[in-house]
Amino acid sequence: SQQGEEDPQALSIQEGENATMNCSYKTSINNLQWYRQNSGRGLVHLILIRSNEREKHSGRLRVTLDTSKKSSSLLITASRAADTASYFCATQTYSGAGSYQLTFGKGTKLSVIP
Amino acid sequence: ETGVTQSPTHLIKTRGQQVTLRCSSQSGHNTVSWYQQALGQGPQFIFQYYREEENGRGNFPPRFSGLQFPNYSSELNVNALELDDSALYLCASSLIGQGGNEQFFGPGTRLTVL
Repeated sequence: SQQGEEDPQALSIQEGENATMNCSYKTSINNLQWYRQNSGRGLVHLILIRSNEREKHSGRLRVTLDTSKKSSSLLITASRAADTASYFCATQTYSGAGSYQLTFGKGTKLSVIP
Repeated sequence: ETGVTQSPTHLIKTRGQQVTLRCSSQSGHNTVSWYQQALGQGPQFIFQYYREEENGRGNFPPRFSGLQFPNYSSELNVNALELDDSALYLCASSLIGQGGNEQFFGPGTRLTVL
């Protein structure tokens, strides 16, 4: 089952513009992570934000987390053609026996036009 | 430090057959997770292994089984293949830790069931 739900499903912007993707989820979490996937290949981890954090930055990426609204956003500033990919949010929750289960949304497909 | 590797890259099987997919974890990681990603969907958690034992499982039937070896390599076995098993299978390794951690994904195995 999908826990996170990204919005929008698809986003097309010009190079140099900012891209914002949103994620909503349903249950309490330990952390929320964002991943990028190029053309059906493996996923690349972008950033992890823990449930007691509100904002995190990494290079051109800015992630916010609002646990009261069960939502997160990923902002990519000054986008480049190489940012074209699918972006997934994933919530991680403790499922017992030392196991933390990662549950993905359906993703946002970002196209950056040169 | 080597990344996560998977083999084979592509595989074609017929309905009812059995398949084994292989994964080699990133050096130093003690946990491996497997995911199924259908076309246009986010990855779905199949199961996780830690210290050679399954310690978490998603909503997948028992015909999906796995093994983790002392050198942290892993196998995913699927028996009695069905057409709906056609998907990209991803493995991810991580270090088990308090609060959860990022996962490092391999490039995936594309399985087609005819």
